Amino acid sequence: KAGVTQTPRYLIKTRGQQVTLSCSPISGHRSVSWYQQTPGQGLQFLFEYFSETQRNKGNFPGRFSGRQFSNSRSEMNVSTLELGDSALYLCASRESNYGYTFGSGTRLTVV
Amino acid sequence: GQNIDQPTEMTATEGAIVQINCTYQTSGFNGLFWYQQHAGEAPTFLSYNVLDGLEEKGRFSSFLSRSKGYSYLLLKELQMKDSASYLCAVLYNTDKLIFGTGTRLQVFP
Repeated sequence: KAGVTQTPRYLIKTRGQQVTLSCSPISGHRSVSWYQQTPGQGLQFLFEYFSETQRNKGNFPGRFSGRQFSNSRSEMNVSTLELGDSALYLCASRESNYGYTFGSGTRLTVV
Repeated sequence: GQNIDQPTEMTATEGAIVQINCTYQTSGFNGLFWYQQHAGEAPTFLSYNVLDGLEEKGRFSSFLSRSKGYSYLLLKELQMKDSASYLCAVLYNTDKLIFGTGTRLQVFP
């Protein structure tokens, strides 16, 4: 089985722009979770999608949004980028409670 | 809140044993995971506990006490390649996996 695929791997954007990141889960996995990882904060939960529905959301501003498609692929969008949004964005997919599998992440740099 | 606490850094010697503790808030608990993350890489799954007791997997073991909101990861026969961050994560309800800030382990020869 192919793993969790995130694209792009690296991204540089300027303040004020918006960005869309993509995550393709393992085939058959219907749940996708997104995390922001920064050196000081660790992995911060952004949101979780299951069967195209957002089931849970972390404490991030409304500039952070996401969606999930019928094939379980998910995208997250960050609008009006700020310098503090520079981070590694990770997504994880799972089939049941057991076995969250992470993608390699997208490293976003905002300049 | 759903705070998960673990030490920030630990050091140990090759061949030794190290125990990394994790405490969490118990309300809504539905399972606990340990992940390993090397610098610049994605977290990789190490263990999952949902019932009290010890789960052993080779050199790594994980323990859970649900009533105390406590877990530990035990690493035996440490190797240099075990230098990494170890992340404790708790599944709350069925759909919210919350991570601690991670414990950076350095193994010295």
